[in-house]
Amino acid sequence: NAGVTQTPKFQVLKTGQSMTLQCAQDMNHNSMYWYRQDPGMGLRLIYYSASEGTTDKGEVPNGYNVSRLNKREFSLRLESAAPSQTSVYFCASSEARGLDGYTFGSGTRLTVV
Amino acid sequence: GEDVEQSLFLSVREGDSSVINCTYTDSSSTYLYWYKQEPGAGLQLLTYIFSNMDMKQDQRLTVLLNKKDKHLSLRIADTQTGDSAIYFCAEKAGRRALTFGSGTRLQVQP
Repeated sequence: NAGVTQTPKFQVLKTGQSMTLQCAQDMNHNSMYWYRQDPGMGLRLIYYSASEGTTDKGEVPNGYNVSRLNKREFSLRLESAAPSQTSVYFCASSEARGLDGYTFGSGTRLTVV
Repeated sequence: GEDVEQSLFLSVREGDSSVINCTYTDSSSTYLYWYKQEPGAGLQLLTYIFSNMDMKQDQRLTVLLNKKDKHLSLRIADTQTGDSAIYFCAEKAGRRALTFGSGTRLQVQP
């Protein structure tokens, strides 16, 4: 089925470890996004990529880096994980302006101990 | 800055109507969205409305927009147990990415 695929679905890290969350879409969308979801806080934008080759910071970028590897793939890296980064991470994609809304992946549940 | 607010919880009985409310602050918002999130899943787009409209209906869903008061609502008619989920309001202004509210957990009691 067409959509947004995120891997892994679950991950436990120790404080200070690094990891990369992977995201791929097969809808030929130009724009991709990373959000984190925390209880009572809704979704907050970490980084986004309006088109291949560009990335921009969102509301909560500290502690994260991203790579838009090609049009399909947009990865999120935690260089030195902290307990405050325990969250559910969602990747999404959209047509260039995103007016028809975003398509979301099923999420990665990350726990940092 | 931009802000989107929702109440956290709503409980209704099966067969009743549900009304989920949302307020936003950015007067330049052009599109407003409702998403549904079921447990353990991502967000699913339910419907959206352009800011020059005041109502949109899609089967059991009715969206009302009061642009003057910056108030958006989602009415679900004949609410079913399968409608139990978290509902997110989101707004888009200009080139900015979607800004989401904190979500309203809808509980449908049999």
